[in-house]
Amino acid sequence: QKEVEQNSGPLSVPEGAIASLNCTYSDRVSQSFFWYRQYSGKSPELIMSIYSNGDKEDGRFTAQLNKASQYVSLLIRDSQPSDSATYLCAVEGYALNFGKGTSLLVTP
Amino acid sequence: EAGVTQFPSHSVIEKGQTVTLRCDPISGHDNLYWYRRVMGKEIKFLLHFVKESKQDESGMPNNRFLAERTGGTYSTLKVQPAELEDSGVYFCASSQPMQGIPYEQYFGPGTRLTVT
Repeated sequence: QKEVEQNSGPLSVPEGAIASLNCTYSDRVSQSFFWYRQYSGKSPELIMSIYSNGDKEDGRFTAQLNKASQYVSLLIRDSQPSDSATYLCAVEGYALNFGKGTSLLVTP
Repeated sequence: EAGVTQFPSHSVIEKGQTVTLRCDPISGHDNLYWYRRVMGKEIKFLLHFVKESKQDESGMPNNRFLAERTGGTYSTLKVQPAELEDSGVYFCASSQPMQGIPYEQYFGPGTRLTVT
């Protein structure tokens, strides 16, 4: 059973702070990793993909991947109230294997 | 460019009835996936089409679920007869692989199915 683990939260950060979201996965041969943002009642929205060890930056978002530790994270800089959502970590084995998601609350 | 669309957005049916969900992928996307999220659980893979061919249906719960993608465009997912445990949100996603780039899947808004 391929597992993707996330802390369910809620993770609460003040506006302007850095939010750090973490994810671990069990399938050592996984090659591709994705972060989705999901607002309540809406579809998962792809925000980052990463498949090489290290950091990948896109605007206020940075994805970090460490395959040796089977760990992927998402940093959100200058957090805004509009970032409040559930963040889903997905690992591609063949289809996507999702974690349950971490709820992020950015307080003004 | 239009995203993935799904119909209906919400369906309430009684146990034993039949429901058909529809997904229209992003135009030009050969890969189409169905996923399901039941309450309190993570999103789970159901099946995968490449054009009109089923590539993997290992996630389909049982033979009450039938998916089709005639002509390689839109797809339907039929549940017959529906059971209470089929309640959840059914998502469709599509992707078009490009060399060297992960298969980024784009999700539709989902169909919330409630079986009473």
